[in-house]
Amino acid sequence: EVQLLESGGALEQPGGSLRLSCAASGFTFSTYGMTWVRQGPGKGLEWVSIIHSGDGGTHYGDSVKGRFTISRDNSKNTLYLQMNSLGEDDTAVYYCARVSSCYSSAWDTPQWCFDVWGRGTQVTVSS
Amino acid sequence: DIQMTQSPYSLSASVGDRVTITCRASQDISFYLNWYQHTPGRAPKLLIHTISSLQSGVPSRFSGGQSGTDFTLSISSLQPEDFATYYCQQTYTRPYTFGPGTTLEIK
Repeated sequence: EVQLLESGGALEQPGGSLRLSCAASGFTFSTYGMTWVRQGPGKGLEWVSIIHSGDGGTHYGDSVKGRFTISRDNSKNTLYLQMNSLGEDDTAVYYCARVSSCYSSAWDTPQWCFDVWGRGTQVTVSS
Repeated sequence: DIQMTQSPYSLSASVGDRVTITCRASQDISFYLNWYQHTPGRAPKLLIHTISSLQSGVPSRFSGGQSGTDFTLSISSLQPEDFATYYCQQTYTRPYTFGPGTTLEIK
């Protein structure tokens, strides 16, 4: 069964750091891009970061750029999110998701879709 | 950044009803449009990718389409498990923005 399991969420003080993990199973982890998405209290989904397979290229949303670092360990089938300089606006449930190339017969080019998700881990930033 | 809007913000309906949710992008996103379903406490679920392609395992009562600049998600006959929040998302360019969500509630 294809599965993603996040961990590492906690209560942290403003200015602190946390590292989230996402353990993958049931698929060849190294061949997929992976992404983090968060949902703040009473808010919708917000894309946070992505790391591609192959060259391992990374990209970030503006709200976390320079503070968060996404990485992966293919030998451990695990995705990480290092979060530094945390602020109260970072309070959210953090989800990891698998990034797939989704094809349609109507178009010649695939597009990215987030086709497998974990159940999330809660991060609370508060003094 | 590309802004995604959705309407309505919330929707009350009954089991067996047909409902349609609309999503619009602030600029052309071609076919780079996905729909997700999210129930509190559960993992979000990909329903439709590339405007209208049904993700494997998703019931055929879900369908996606486009009318002009609007993208639509329709559910033909609501089932109890369909009451959730629905998000559109563009993957045309980073950041891969989501719409604000449409919450479907039981009438």
